[in-house]
Amino acid sequence: EPEVTQTPSHQVTQMGQEVILRCVPISNHLYFYWYRQILGQKVEFLVSFYNNEISEKSEIFDDQFSVERPDGSNFTLKIRSTKLEDSAMYFCASGSGAGPQHFGDGTRLSIL
Amino acid sequence: GENVEQHPSTLSVQEGDSAVIKCTYSDSASNYFPWYKQELGKRPQLIIDIRSNVGEKKDQRIAVTLNKTAKHFSLHITETQPEDSAVYFCAAGRNTGNQFYFGTGTSLTVIP
Repeated sequence: EPEVTQTPSHQVTQMGQEVILRCVPISNHLYFYWYRQILGQKVEFLVSFYNNEISEKSEIFDDQFSVERPDGSNFTLKIRSTKLEDSAMYFCASGSGAGPQHFGDGTRLSIL
Repeated sequence: GENVEQHPSTLSVQEGDSAVIKCTYSDSASNYFPWYKQELGKRPQLIIDIRSNVGEKKDQRIAVTLNKTAKHFSLHITETQPEDSAVYFCAAGRNTGNQFYFGTGTSLTVIP
């Protein structure tokens, strides 16, 4: 069964640095998403991407964040000037638009 | 925006008993309601979903009911097994392509 894959599984970064989280969505999916989950809390929507542009974004997704689909397979989340409160599990998800969203295993981001 | 509330936050049942988790939502435009199971440190995995044009859906030991008038939906797990132990999240969205709003999760423990 095809899966969403995310790299790295764990990223440790100094506060103020930039990080790029990478995702390879399921190949025939057209909708891509980033969610985050702070430890012990619920999953929160960050941004959705369709047809090479952002289709929805939450209040969390401010100028510190950006997304990109640099080629036909990868979908990235860039976080600039990281803060302690950016520490969380970041999940990428993809969907066909007609069915459910499928989540990757996540990247655990630790900001020191 | 949408607000999804989920109860209870923790639930312990004896193996073989049933478990029920309840969610309410606020946005009458929400039409799609997935349920995800998340084991410790793993990705959220879809276990069942329901669209607003049906009131109930069943898949083996798992069933979901939806009351669109009252804006609540519930997950029912019958004949629980220890491997059902996990955190369960409900979610709501306008359709499968839009962002999902997640509940706060229910930690289910099935006692052998």
